[in-house]
Amino acid sequence: AQTVTQSQPEMSVQEAETVTLSCTYDTSESDYYLFWYKQPPSRQMILVIRQEAYKQQNATENRFSVNFQKAAKSFSLKISDSQLGDAAMYFCAYRSEYGGSQGNLIFGKGTKLSVKP
Amino acid sequence: ETGVTQTPRHLVMGMTNKKSLKCEQHLGHNAMYWYKQSAKKPLELMFVYNFKEQTENNSVPSRFSPECPNSSHLFLHLHTLQPEDSALYLCASSQSAARESGNGELFFGEGSRLTVL
Repeated sequence: AQTVTQSQPEMSVQEAETVTLSCTYDTSESDYYLFWYKQPPSRQMILVIRQEAYKQQNATENRFSVNFQKAAKSFSLKISDSQLGDAAMYFCAYRSEYGGSQGNLIFGKGTKLSVKP
Repeated sequence: ETGVTQTPRHLVMGMTNKKSLKCEQHLGHNAMYWYKQSAKKPLELMFVYNFKEQTENNSVPSRFSPECPNSSHLFLHLHTLQPEDSALYLCASSQSAARESGNGELFFGEGSRLTVL
């Protein structure tokens, strides 16, 4: 069975600085999707960025980028120029290409990011 | 108006009560999901509905009973719950539950915080 591990329960970053959140996963599959979701306090969880395993190029969305290392099964999220609104729980998630629905995501336990002004 | 709306936001109930959680999506999606988010545990997928039909039930106890009268509404009926069922229950939607449809993005509600006494 696939697993997702986020080894940093909490992280802190100074406003305008850069922070990297770690995520590793375990799978025997070669095709899959990886996601980072953000859950602000008392707000909806939203998709930050996604990566298809067959793509070698790392995904980027404005200030958010990933470092996808398929061989190492690592999928870290880098947030550049951190803003106060980036403070939230961040969840890494895995979805198999085979079987199950689009909602069949395997989530990590999350990393709580604090942004200091 | 948010895309996915959940009510109530907070619910306290005794173990003998019967209550329901409601989810409504205004995104024109065809798939809806219930997730359970417990403290210090990864999100767990409970139920999946695609075009009003239940397609997944991840071994959820029968004291949780879902209902999907149409593609826009999803309910979770609760009865004779246990204190360990206390959690944040998240509803989500996507264009379709099928793996090959869409980009895999889920749209979440803000959640219903359930406390079972």
